[in-house]
Amino acid sequence: DQQVKQNSPSLSVQEGRISILNCDYTNSMFDYFLWYKKYPAEGPTFLISISSIKDKNEDGRFTVFLNKSAKHLSLHIVPSQPGDSAVYFCAASLPMNSGYSTLTFGKGTMLLVSP
Amino acid sequence: ETGVTQTPRHLVMGMTNKKSLKCEQHLGHNAMYWYKQSAKKPLELMFVYNFKEQTENNSVPSRFSPECPNSSHLFLHLHTLQPEDSALYLCASSQDYGGPVYGYTFGSGTRLTVV
Repeated sequence: DQQVKQNSPSLSVQEGRISILNCDYTNSMFDYFLWYKKYPAEGPTFLISISSIKDKNEDGRFTVFLNKSAKHLSLHIVPSQPGDSAVYFCAASLPMNSGYSTLTFGKGTMLLVSP
Repeated sequence: ETGVTQTPRHLVMGMTNKKSLKCEQHLGHNAMYWYKQSAKKPLELMFVYNFKEQTENNSVPSRFSPECPNSSHLFLHLHTLQPEDSALYLCASSQDYGGPVYGYTFGSGTRLTVV
């Protein structure tokens, strides 16, 4: 059973508007949540993370919101740009084990930002 | 060279072949990972090495054999694979201090096709 779910396989947004990507999780033991971005023929690249003790983290155009009671997080991109078109993966981490962490990923949401 | 480098980028192999995937990181990270990405599935963790020691094997079939000779290099040896093993194989590394705040650094992956 999937512990991290991204229920929208794709999302289309116009340039300049807000993109909202959603992610749900089932394991209440997850203590860190991360978003990755992936272009075709490249590996995923880290975008932003949030600790489970926070409800918001912001980095430039990217903001991640965490609602622990709903086991839901979202990534907001504003304003969206055509270069943001990529697949976005949500990931969650359990508490660290001896200096490393293992991430559980969702299936990803393909974002298309049109000019 | 910096980052995580994977070779080869593409590999086509027959079911009776033996081949190896290579991963190299020049980031000084302590942990290295193999992930598998199949079509329409989340990234699946295969193996974790922490300071050269294998710490996790996520029920991976024995036809996949990892090797970590030092903390900068990781191999995935492949033998007698099946067509359903065709996927993108991603290597990643991390250095976690108090939590995966900065996530993994991924390589670009090896696109494997088993014929």
